[in-house]
Amino acid sequence: KQEVTQIPAALSVPEGENLVLNCSFTDSAIYNLQWFRQDPGKGLTSLLLIQSSQREQTSGRLNASLDKSSGRSTLYIAASQPGDSATYLCAPNSGGYNKLIFGAGTRLAVHP
Amino acid sequence: EAQVTQNPRYLITVTGKKLTVTCSQNMNHEYMSWYRQDPGLGLRQIYYSMNVEVTDKGDVPEGYKVSRKEKRNFPLILESPSPNQTSLYFCASSRQGLGEQYFGPGTRLTVT
Repeated sequence: KQEVTQIPAALSVPEGENLVLNCSFTDSAIYNLQWFRQDPGKGLTSLLLIQSSQREQTSGRLNASLDKSSGRSTLYIAASQPGDSATYLCAPNSGGYNKLIFGAGTRLAVHP
Repeated sequence: EAQVTQNPRYLITVTGKKLTVTCSQNMNHEYMSWYRQDPGLGLRQIYYSMNVEVTDKGDVPEGYKVSRKEKRNFPLILESPSPNQTSLYFCASSRQGLGEQYFGPGTRLTVT
């Protein structure tokens, strides 16, 4: 059974810091992994999708890495801004499960 | 604009009164699914559909029904809602089961 852990659970930082959010998963037989952002009471916005054959994926100030064999993914946020404040969720997708398995998320607060 | 839409966005109802939450996508995606999100439990899959007329249970299907008569629509039916179905519901779609998934804005359901 796939289990996903995200560390830290919460993070509060001043504007401008570079951040690292961690995601680990127990079953390394994944097809891909998605990172999402969720604002309070709102929907999920897809940030990055990394295929199992990829090591990294970048979008603007965001960079996600994947080490499938060790069951880890990292989301790196450069030069954080108050608008980055949200909950970040990682979700590996395994063919055998036909679904995304979500971590509990990292709640990020960036203050001016 | 490519999107997943859900209606209604907010719903307050009483125990036992049948309701339907609609989900529609305009991306010609084959795969659609429903999740519920609860504090402390995260996102859990209710049902999914690999294509028209093909549906299957997720992790928490009890008390829910779905149908997939058309490719673009995947309604969630609660035939006799109970208070433990009070939750935030999300519909998602992707080109195929292992592709990047796109989420709707969510439906906040309260059952009294």
